[in-house]
Amino acid sequence: AQSVTQLGSHVSVSEGALVLLRCNYSSSVPPYLFWYVQYPNQGLQLLLKYTSAATLVKGINGFEAEFKKSETSFHLTKPSAHMSDAAEYFCAVISNTGKLIFGQGTTLQVKP
Amino acid sequence: GAVVSQHPSRVICKSGTSVKIECRSLDFQATTMFWYRQFPKQSLMLMATSNEGSKATYEQGVEKDKFLINHASLTLSTLTVTSAHPEDSSFYICSASHKQGDQPQHFGDGTRLSIL
Repeated sequence: AQSVTQLGSHVSVSEGALVLLRCNYSSSVPPYLFWYVQYPNQGLQLLLKYTSAATLVKGINGFEAEFKKSETSFHLTKPSAHMSDAAEYFCAVISNTGKLIFGQGTTLQVKP
Repeated sequence: GAVVSQHPSRVICKSGTSVKIECRSLDFQATTMFWYRQFPKQSLMLMATSNEGSKATYEQGVEKDKFLINHASLTLSTLTVTSAHPEDSSFYICSASHKQGDQPQHFGDGTRLSIL
């Protein structure tokens, strides 16, 4: 069965600092992986997705993620945090029945 | 890009009331829609998958008589919380895709349901 684990429920960075949100996956087949962002009282917005093409995936708002099979990881990064990046971030994987399985979420706090 | 509209965004009602939430795909035909529930500071929990013209498939532990789902057209699915009680208070989010298994899903902005 597929699953994802997000390490760190809360990450705090200073504005302008590197953002690193960790996600490890478990899958018996090549996974389809996603990162979503959720702002307060809103739905989810797709940041980026990995579908077995390039291992380095670029998304919206300057975010990118690298698929590393050897580490079963799909960490999300952004070189320089902006105050508007403060939100909840979810890593997700597609199950073998086509359903999205979400990680526990990571709250990103950006300090001025 | 694909847009999914969810209505209402917030509803407050008395215990025992039934509440209907609508999920519409505005610029594409959604064969499949998903309903999620999200508790504060937690992840999304899939409640059910609805396919246009057929009965919804509910996840284990979700009461289908409590959470009625209708997907009568390719652009509209509704979730009705029947005889709502305070423990049903939550954030409900829908998503839609062109067909089952199609990714990514497009999410609505959610409905904050508060039962007094």
